[in-house]
Amino acid sequence: GESVGLHLPTLSVQEGDNSIINCAYSNSASDYFIWYKQESGKGPQFIIDIRSNMDKRQGQRVTVLLNKTVKHLSLQIAATQPGDSAVYFCAENTAGNQFYFGTGTSLTVIP
Amino acid sequence: DGGITQSPKYLFRKEGQNVTLSCEQNLNHDAMYWYRQDPGQGLRLIYYSQIVNDFQKGDIAEGYSVSREKKESFPLTVTSAQKNPTAFYLCASSPRRYSGEQYFGPGTRLTVL
Repeated sequence: GESVGLHLPTLSVQEGDNSIINCAYSNSASDYFIWYKQESGKGPQFIIDIRSNMDKRQGQRVTVLLNKTVKHLSLQIAATQPGDSAVYFCAENTAGNQFYFGTGTSLTVIP
Repeated sequence: DGGITQSPKYLFRKEGQNVTLSCEQNLNHDAMYWYRQDPGQGLRLIYYSQIVNDFQKGDIAEGYSVSREKKESFPLTVTSAQKNPTAFYLCASSPRRYSGEQYFGPGTRLTVL
């Protein structure tokens, strides 16, 4: 199977600071990536996606960066808020086939 | 109010019993999926269905069964053959197979005693 991993399993940030969550993927043929947010006891929620023909995509307070050279994906959250506390994980997809999901990074926002 | 519902939220069963987890969607999506989530691990695909009356095994289908008799429903049965059934089960749907965003339900936590 695919290998999608995260550099840091936990991350704590002060409220108002920016957060950066990283994800490494192993399949250089992967062409579509999604970041999900999962709050405790709930299903994952879509945050933002990016295709391999882009290296940056911005949403509301979030930015995803894709570095295909080193097979690395990152999620940046600006002005982190307490409501951002959750587990974040990435998923990769190759040519419309099965998604493979990372294990997740737990983000804790300190008020 | 569109979305995916899973029931129940918590489920307890004795070892050796089969149990069926419900998943319903009113998003008019063709594709539906079942994933298993264990602590410290990524989501793993159990089964998926692209269309009514069709379904395919995922990476960890052993000990599970599904049906897709209606577009909006994709129930998962955890059979007694599943060696380690205690887990958090997530259902998802998408407009087409593996197309873009998958919408997830709230999950069912199954505990086998």
